[in-house]
Amino acid sequence: DTAVSQTPKYLVTQMGNDKSIKCEQNLGHDTMYWYKQDSKKFLKIMFSYNNKELIINETVPNRFSPKSPDKAHLNLHINSLELGDSAVYFCASSQPGQGAGEAFFGQGTRLTVV
Amino acid sequence: AQKITQTQPGMFVQEKEAVTLDCTYDTSDPSYGLFWYKQPSSGEMIFLIYQGSYDQQNATEGRYSLNFQKARKSANLVISASQLGDSAMYFCAMRGVNTNAGKSTFGDGTTLTVKP
Repeated sequence: DTAVSQTPKYLVTQMGNDKSIKCEQNLGHDTMYWYKQDSKKFLKIMFSYNNKELIINETVPNRFSPKSPDKAHLNLHINSLELGDSAVYFCASSQPGQGAGEAFFGQGTRLTVV
Repeated sequence: AQKITQTQPGMFVQEKEAVTLDCTYDTSDPSYGLFWYKQPSSGEMIFLIYQGSYDQQNATEGRYSLNFQKARKSANLVISASQLGDSAMYFCAMRGVNTNAGKSTFGDGTTLTVKP
């Protein structure tokens, strides 16, 4: 069983398009995240949701809109894609409470904007 | 604010030898967790080891151990008996428990190459 799964794994699209990446976790965690890893491998948090509520938004352009229909799902919708959005996007989940709790990552979605 | 510093962009180690990957951190949180992740060339992020800021003992997981020195704000990863499969990028990360709960900060990573 995959703990954190994201789809699609690869996404190639043209500038200006709108696309979505889906994420689901079956770990029963309360907190989910989206991270962006750029071409230099720098990993930066974008959003953090706790029980469907947004708790962190790290100055991400508002073309990026996360949606959490329930605590097991956190989808990422991107409008008007730009070349600079090309990156690997990781979804993750964790269970804060006892300590900070390690985050479990999905396999990543490699987005290429052409 | 949180900050993670990994000063070694690349490291080489001979197979079967031990290697230490450096990580220093800064945070205003009184309580936090420190993590190490491995990212092989296939791209997935694999959790390796966790250290809580109030843990008295250094964390160990198999061949991985975390050398936690709170006063120096360092959380170095030690890999013993390196294997070829350990060649990967390694990220140090932290997350606050209270003030910065949910906000994870990653270092820039260290690329480890294990030589046969």
